[in-house]
Amino acid sequence: KQEVTQIPAALSVPEGENLVLNCSFTDSAIYNLQWFRQDPGKGLTSLLLIQSSQREQTSGRLNASLDKSSGRSTLYIAASQPGDSATYLCAVIPKGHGQNFVFGPGTRLSVLP
Amino acid sequence: EAQVTQNPRYLITVTGKKLTVTCSQNMNHEYMSWYRQDPGLGLRQIYYSMNVEVTDKGDVPEGYKVSRKEKRNFPLILESPSPNQTSLYFCASSFYGGAGEQYFGPGTRLTVT
Repeated sequence: KQEVTQIPAALSVPEGENLVLNCSFTDSAIYNLQWFRQDPGKGLTSLLLIQSSQREQTSGRLNASLDKSSGRSTLYIAASQPGDSATYLCAVIPKGHGQNFVFGPGTRLSVLP
Repeated sequence: EAQVTQNPRYLITVTGKKLTVTCSQNMNHEYMSWYRQDPGLGLRQIYYSMNVEVTDKGDVPEGYKVSRKEKRNFPLILESPSPNQTSLYFCASSFYGGAGEQYFGPGTRLTVT
C-alpha cells in the first residue's frame, strides 16, 4: 500500500531564506504528484502538479522536482516571506487505484519577519 | 467566482442522527471527492466520483454514503453518525480527475457526541 511521508514535520526560518521541503512515497508507480498549501482553518490550495513523466514544475518562487525511481519530491521556496507560513502537503495518485489520492502528513512552515 | 462550496461549515450532532453535508462546484468539473482530516492521520480520501452516477471508494469509506445525480453536486451522507466520525471534512473537484488541479472547499467541522 502506498505511503507518503514528509520531512520535516515543522520548520521555522527567518524571512528571505531559501528552503526545501521533502516528500517521499513508497511505490514509484504513480500517475502524478501534487503539492498543496493549507492555511489554518481553511481548505487546500493547489500549488504545483507534476505528471509522472515530468521532472519538475515551477511557479513563481516555487519549484517542485520529482524523482520517481527514488520515490522523492522536493518543494523549493525561494526568498521566503511571512505570507508563505502555512502547512504544505504533498499527494500522489498511485497507479492501479483509480483516482484515489494519498496525502502526506504535511510540513508546517513558519517564516519569521 | 470559481469555487467549491460546502454546507454547513460547522455541525454538532448526536450519535445516530442522519445528516448530509452538501458540496457544490460551479466549474463544470467532472471529478469530485470527499476527504476527512484528523490530527496525526492527515487527509484521507472517503469517496470520489469521476462523473455523474459514477462513484468509487477511497481509503476510508465505511460509515459514509455519496451520490452524484448532478454534475455540480456531490453530497456526503452519514446514515448513522458515530463519535469516531468527528472530523474536518473537505470536498474537492477538478476537470481531469487526479491529473488536474484540485480545488478544495473551505471545510466542514463535524462533531458527533
